[in-house]
Amino acid sequence: DAGITQSPRHKVTETGTPVTLRCHQTENHRYMYWYRQDPGHGLRLIHYSYGVKDTDKGEVSDGYSVSRSKTEDFLLTLESATSSQTSVYFCAITTGNRDGYTFGSGTRLTVV
Amino acid sequence: SQQGEEDPQALSIQEGENATMNCSYKTSINNLQWYRQNSGRGLVHLILIRSNEREKHSGRLRVTLDTSKKSSSLLITASRAADTASYFCATDPGGVQGAQKLVFGQGTRLTINP
Repeated sequence: DAGITQSPRHKVTETGTPVTLRCHQTENHRYMYWYRQDPGHGLRLIHYSYGVKDTDKGEVSDGYSVSRSKTEDFLLTLESATSSQTSVYFCAITTGNRDGYTFGSGTRLTVV
Repeated sequence: SQQGEEDPQALSIQEGENATMNCSYKTSINNLQWYRQNSGRGLVHLILIRSNEREKHSGRLRVTLDTSKKSSSLLITASRAADTASYFCATDPGGVQGAQKLVFGQGTRLTINP
């Protein structure tokens, strides 16, 4: 999607290793979000950010941490990957005007 | 926990027919949004309806909201093959700081048959 990119698009990693996913935006939006999408669960919020260095937990934050050192980048880190974290991860951005999200194209993560 | 529950889970219709999807939710909301997801892609925002609105149109889309019943419906008229996708409702509970912590339903898989 225009203005928001996620990297990598695909990743396979081993159980117990740390993994970092990156979300980069060029829209200068204040708010950024990380969701995971799993069959039978829809999308669930992991963490979100409301400004540089300002983050908060979502519904399924255990095992994940985030950082936002500049407006355009929001990083999601799996401290020690587990098989239950195999999922598709989406980043999204909003302006703060309570309008819709703009989503990235997602990162498919497989933990083996 | 999932706030939005969508019905049906899957819907298959002929091209040109209308498609209706329903969403129910449990708590008060600031607004409700609908998204489309094509296979293997990110979600795309379709339409947003605020809690003080009852109906909204956008092209071939019509959304209704009944806050007394905590339910919404999405109607796609004159369906096309390109409408084949999964459709998700998402509720915005409102709150502080302007952050929109959307809660998504599990989606309706729509297939348009030529």
